[in-house]
Amino acid sequence: SQQGEEDPQALSIQEGENATMNCSYKTSINNLQWYRQNSGRGLVHLILIRSNEREKHSGRLRVTLDTSKKSSSLLITASRAADTASYFCATGPWGSQGNLIFGKGTKLSVKP
Amino acid sequence: NAGVTQTPKFQVLKTGQSMTLQCAQDMNHEYMSWYRQDPGMGLRLIHYSVGAGITDQGEVPNGYNVSRSTTEDFPLRLLSAAPSQTSVYFCASRLTGSSGNTIYFGEGSWLTVV
Repeated sequence: SQQGEEDPQALSIQEGENATMNCSYKTSINNLQWYRQNSGRGLVHLILIRSNEREKHSGRLRVTLDTSKKSSSLLITASRAADTASYFCATGPWGSQGNLIFGKGTKLSVKP
Repeated sequence: NAGVTQTPKFQVLKTGQSMTLQCAQDMNHEYMSWYRQDPGMGLRLIHYSVGAGITDQGEVPNGYNVSRSTTEDFPLRLLSAAPSQTSVYFCASRLTGSSGNTIYFGEGSWLTVV
């Protein structure tokens, strides 16, 4: 069953604008991760934020986590056409046998 | 390192046929898994393994078999293909333990069952 739900389902912006995607989840987590999927490719890990962290940065990416609201956001600043992709949040894994549970993703389109 | 390698990339099957999707990783990862991705459904876990000789079911295991005879390989078998198994399949692996949070994906296998 889906743990995370991304919002919006689709987002279209112009190059140079910021893109914000949100993820809500249902149960307690130990970490939350964001992945990117280019069309026709596998998913690639972007960033991980632990449950005791509130914000994390990686290049043009900024992730926030609000465990009281069970939500996370991914901000891509100064977007580029190459950022066009689907973005997924995932929660877990719990322990060595734990599995990552993915949301349905946000499809981002950045127009040049 | 090649990472996670899946074959074939594309396959068309007739209903009732069987086939095996191959997955190999060269990162010495204990954990391997298979997901399927359908439009509007995200990724759903089919089967996973935490080490050679150990497999377990995920969210949608019906119609699929797996085995893990080596650390490197984790094949997914479709026993009698059905149109509902038309999907994109992803193999993934990671380390277990506290450092094994990031999961690495293969490039996907597009399967059509007619």
